[in-house]
Amino acid sequence: AQTVTQSQPEMSVQEAETVTLSCTYDTSESDYYLFWYKQPPSRQMILVIRQEAYKQQNATENRFSVNFQKAAKSFSLKISDSQLGDAAMYFCAYRALLASAQGGSEKLVFGKGTKLTVNP
Amino acid sequence: DVKVTQSSRYLVKRTGEKVFLECVQDMDHENMFWYRQDPGLGLRLIYFSYDVKMKEKGDIPEGYSVSREKKERFSLILESASTNQTSMYLCASRLQGATGNTIYFGEGSWLTVV
Repeated sequence: AQTVTQSQPEMSVQEAETVTLSCTYDTSESDYYLFWYKQPPSRQMILVIRQEAYKQQNATENRFSVNFQKAAKSFSLKISDSQLGDAAMYFCAYRALLASAQGGSEKLVFGKGTKLTVNP
Repeated sequence: DVKVTQSSRYLVKRTGEKVFLECVQDMDHENMFWYRQDPGLGLRLIYFSYDVKMKEKGDIPEGYSVSREKKERFSLILESASTNQTSMYLCASRLQGATGNTIYFGEGSWLTVV
């Protein structure tokens, strides 16, 4: 079964600086998707960034970028120019196929999360 | 805009009560999910439905059941609530088909069982 590990329960960063959140995963699949989700205090889970495993280029979305190391099964999130609004729980997730479901439905397997604090 | 709505944000129920958590999505998505979120454990999948009247157990289905009579609505049922079911419950939906489609989440339902 696929597993996702976030080794940093909490992180903090000064406003305007850069922070990197770590994530490792375990899978036997060769093609898959990885995600970072943000959950602010309002509790709405928001997709931050997505990486397709067959793409060698690291995904980037504005101030958010990933360092995807397929051989090492590592998928870290870098937040540049941190803002107060970036404070949230961040979850790394792996897309797993649900073999028992018709049509190849998928589920997300989540890590336990990293709480990011941004200090002014 | 994509919308997944969980009608009850905060509930307090007594042990042994039957509890319904409702989720509605307006995107015509085939797949719907119920996750449970607990501190230090992340999100764990309870049940999912890949289409109307179809359901499959997730990783922690014990003590829960679900109902999907209409495509837009997916209900989580606690037949006899217990204190260890006090948690945050998140509903999600996804368009079936192309792999990697974004999964969209509701705002969550906080359930306290006393």
